[in-house]
Amino acid sequence: AQKVTQAQTEISVVEKEDVTLDCVYETRDTTYYLFWYKQPPSGELVFLIRRNSFDEQNEISGRYSWNFQKSTSSFNFTITASQVVDSAVYFCALSENGQNFVFGPGTRLSVLP
Amino acid sequence: DSGVTQTPKHLITATGQRVTLRCSPRSGDLSVYWYQQSLDQGLQFLIQYYNGEERAKGNILERFSAQQFPDLHSELNLSSLELGDSALYFCASSVAKASGKTDTQYFGPGTRLTVL
Repeated sequence: AQKVTQAQTEISVVEKEDVTLDCVYETRDTTYYLFWYKQPPSGELVFLIRRNSFDEQNEISGRYSWNFQKSTSSFNFTITASQVVDSAVYFCALSENGQNFVFGPGTRLSVLP
Repeated sequence: DSGVTQTPKHLITATGQRVTLRCSPRSGDLSVYWYQQSLDQGLQFLIQYYNGEERAKGNILERFSAQQFPDLHSELNLSSLELGDSALYFCASSVAKASGKTDTQYFGPGTRLTVL
C-alpha cells in the first residue's frame, strides 16, 4: 500500500531563512509519481512540481528546489530566502503508476516578517 | 486562475439529503479528478474519469457517485448525507493522454459542503 509521511506538522521561520519540508513515501511500484502542492490561506490548491520515479535529478525553480532520493524514499522541498507569501500548507503526494493519489497530512509553514 | 470551475462555491444542507457538485475542466483536458478535504481525513482522492470513463477509484463511499459527460464536465453526487461528509470538495483536471501516465493536475477553487 502506498503511504506518504510528512513528519513536520508545523514550521515557523523568519523571513529570508531557508526552510526544508520533508516528505517520505512508501510504495511497492517501480513506476510512480511524486508531487508537491501548496495551499495558501485562501484555500486553493496550487501544483508545484511532479517528478517520476525514473528521474532522480534534483530540480530548482527560482527559490524552490526539490531533492529526490530513491535510496531513502524521500522527496524533500526547500524554499530559499523564504518570504511571507510562502506561508501556506504544503502537501506531498504519491501516485502509483498514474492510478490513485495519496496525500501526506501536510506541513503548515509560517513565515514571519 | 487555473481554468477549472466548480459550482456551487458553498452548499449547506441537512443530513439525509442529496447534493450534486459540478466541475468544468480546463479546455482540452480529458481527465477529471475529485478530492475531499476534511479536518479528520485530510486530502483524499475519490475518483478519476478520463474521457467519460472511470479510470481510477480511491476512497469513495458507496453513497457517493460521479460521472463525466460527453462535454467533459463532471458531477459528483453525494447522497444520504451525514455530518461527517462536511468538507471541501476539489475537482482537478489534466490532459492525461494515456492510461498509466499521469501529468500536471490543475485544481478548481473547491466546493465547501456543510451538512447540518
